[in-house]
Amino acid sequence: KQEVTQIPAALSVPEGENLVLNCSFTDSAIYNLQWFRQDPGKGLTSLLLIQSSQREQTSGRLNASLDKSSGRSTLYIAASQPGDSATYLCAPRVQAGTALIFGKGTTLSVSS
Amino acid sequence: GAVVSQHPSWVICKSGTSVKIECRSLDFQATTMFWYRQFPKQSLMLMATSNEGSKATYEQGVEKDKFLINHASLTLSTLTVTSAHPEDSSFYICSGGEAGLAAYEQYFGPGTRLTVT
Repeated sequence: KQEVTQIPAALSVPEGENLVLNCSFTDSAIYNLQWFRQDPGKGLTSLLLIQSSQREQTSGRLNASLDKSSGRSTLYIAASQPGDSATYLCAPRVQAGTALIFGKGTTLSVSS
Repeated sequence: GAVVSQHPSWVICKSGTSVKIECRSLDFQATTMFWYRQFPKQSLMLMATSNEGSKATYEQGVEKDKFLINHASLTLSTLTVTSAHPEDSSFYICSGGEAGLAAYEQYFGPGTRLTVT
């Protein structure tokens, strides 16, 4: 059964810092992986989707990398802003059509 | 991205009553629907997977007679919490996926906050 671990569990930084959020998963035979953002009491916002054949994906200040063989993905956030404060969730998918399995997330707080 | 709506966004009910939550895919056909729940400060836990026109597949530990899932059309799935108890209070989130896409992706609804008193 797929298990997802995210490190660190929480992170507090001043505005402007570059950040690294880590995700590891036990079953490396994945189809794709998604990163999400969740604001308190809200639903999920999809940030990036990486296919198993890809090494990385970029969207604005966000860059996600995937090392499928080692079961790891990393989300880089450049020049962090207070508006980036949220919980970031990593979720791999084993096969097309199957459900995403979530880690507990990294709760990020960016102070101005 | 594709849009999924949920209704209601929040609901308060008394213990012993039943509550129905609707999940709709607005601009795509959701061949598969997933239901998750999230307790405070916890991650999303998959409850069940349903394919249109078929019975739902429930995850281990989820009571299928308590959490009734119907996926009668490609745009609508419902979750009914029967005989709700305070321990069922949680954040319920649905998501839909569309088969046949080059990159299979799940689209999530905004969630429903259920409080059982």
